[in-house]
Amino acid sequence: KAGVTQTPRYLIKTRGQQVTLSCSPISGHRSVSWYQQTPGQGLQFLFEYFSETQRNKGNFPGRFSGRQFSNSRSEMNVSTLELGDSALYLCASSLEGLAGSQQYFGPGTRLTVT
Amino acid sequence: QKEVEQDPGPLSVPEGAIVSLNCTYSNSAFQYFMWYRQYSRKGPELLMYTYSSGNKEDGRFTAQVDKSSKYISLFIRDSQPSDSATYLCAARGGNQFYFGTGTSLTVIP
Repeated sequence: KAGVTQTPRYLIKTRGQQVTLSCSPISGHRSVSWYQQTPGQGLQFLFEYFSETQRNKGNFPGRFSGRQFSNSRSEMNVSTLELGDSALYLCASSLEGLAGSQQYFGPGTRLTVT
Repeated sequence: QKEVEQDPGPLSVPEGAIVSLNCTYSNSAFQYFMWYRQYSRKGPELLMYTYSSGNKEDGRFTAQVDKSSKYISLFIRDSQPSDSATYLCAARGGNQFYFGTGTSLTVIP
């Protein structure tokens, strides 16, 4: 079974721009969660989508948004980029969503904002 | 205060040593605890999962949870160079996972 894939792997954007990241979960998984990973804060939960609906949300500003398609692929969008948005963005897929224990992470998208 | 606190290290040990990695958490309602391993340029992978207090062993890895002191530990026996990675502890509360910042471990051959 193929693992979680994320595209692109690396991205450089300028402050004020917007960016869209993509995540394809493991086949059969309906839950996709997004995390931001930085050296100082570690992994921070952004949001979870399950069957095309946002089911849970972390404490990030509205500039961070997402969606999920009928094939469970998910996209995350960040508008009006700030320097502090530079991070590794990880998505994780699971069968049960956040109520379960097993999340499978993708390799991440490394976003650099200049 | 972060929900899960972890000493970032770095930690450097000789091959064959016993490694102890530790975290503390703040919310006594947390019931599920996990350890993830993250290699460079990869996403985290689940190593160990425990429910409530107690020990869980899997090969060279032992996870320990002490709910009275809100302390989570991971022990690695007979450490190998391939164990060199960043180790993340996590706790599940409600519908969220809370992660520590990770401890960087290097096992020297």
